[in-house]
Amino acid sequence: ETGVTQSPTHLIKTRGQQVTLRCSSQSGHNTVSWYQQALGQGPQFIFQYYREEENGRGNFPPRFSGLQFPNYSSELNVNALELDDSALYLCASSLGGGQGHTDTQYFGPGTRLTVL
Amino acid sequence: AQSVTQLDSQVPVFEEAPVELRCNYSSSVSVYLFWYVQYPNQGLQLLLKYLSGSTLVKGINGFEAEFNKSQTSFHLRKPSVHISDTAEYFCAVRGYSTLTFGKGTMLLVSP
Repeated sequence: ETGVTQSPTHLIKTRGQQVTLRCSSQSGHNTVSWYQQALGQGPQFIFQYYREEENGRGNFPPRFSGLQFPNYSSELNVNALELDDSALYLCASSLGGGQGHTDTQYFGPGTRLTVL
Repeated sequence: AQSVTQLDSQVPVFEEAPVELRCNYSSSVSVYLFWYVQYPNQGLQLLLKYLSGSTLVKGINGFEAEFNKSQTSFHLRKPSVHISDTAEYFCAVRGYSTLTFGKGTMLLVSP
């Protein structure tokens, strides 16, 4: 069974640029959630995708957007990068359609984004 | 709305000593609680979870946690820690489509 994978591992961008991060969900999982973890903080929920539709969103501006593909992999796009966007971006997959409070989220290793 | 408070930002302990990492939560819906561990420069690994049933939950690596509804707590314990347990530990509560995390507790195990 393949776990959650993310690419790239590290990324350096400059302010104002755009970035795309990718996530492949664990085999059999249909739901992907994205989190931002700033240095020294706990992860903060960005949004969740279930069957290619956004299924919940945290307190992040519209320049954070996402996609989920038919194979349940997902992308996180961030436009007009700001210095405060520097963080570890974590993807988590689960099986539960986003409807069940009980489904467990399994995390990938993360993408470290640095904005200069 | 859900929230999680991890009362200690750092817990230093000697190897083979017992440890307790504290977590308090608030939730407006049914309570589902999780502990995750994060080793340096890695993602989050699930340690254990409480969904229902027995309030004492056993997880991986010898960790356990006890759900206490009256005190709204879900403290993590291990009777004897190893150097390899040095990591950041996050408590989380499940909402509709999200996990709400605490700020984390850094467990520092020294010889």
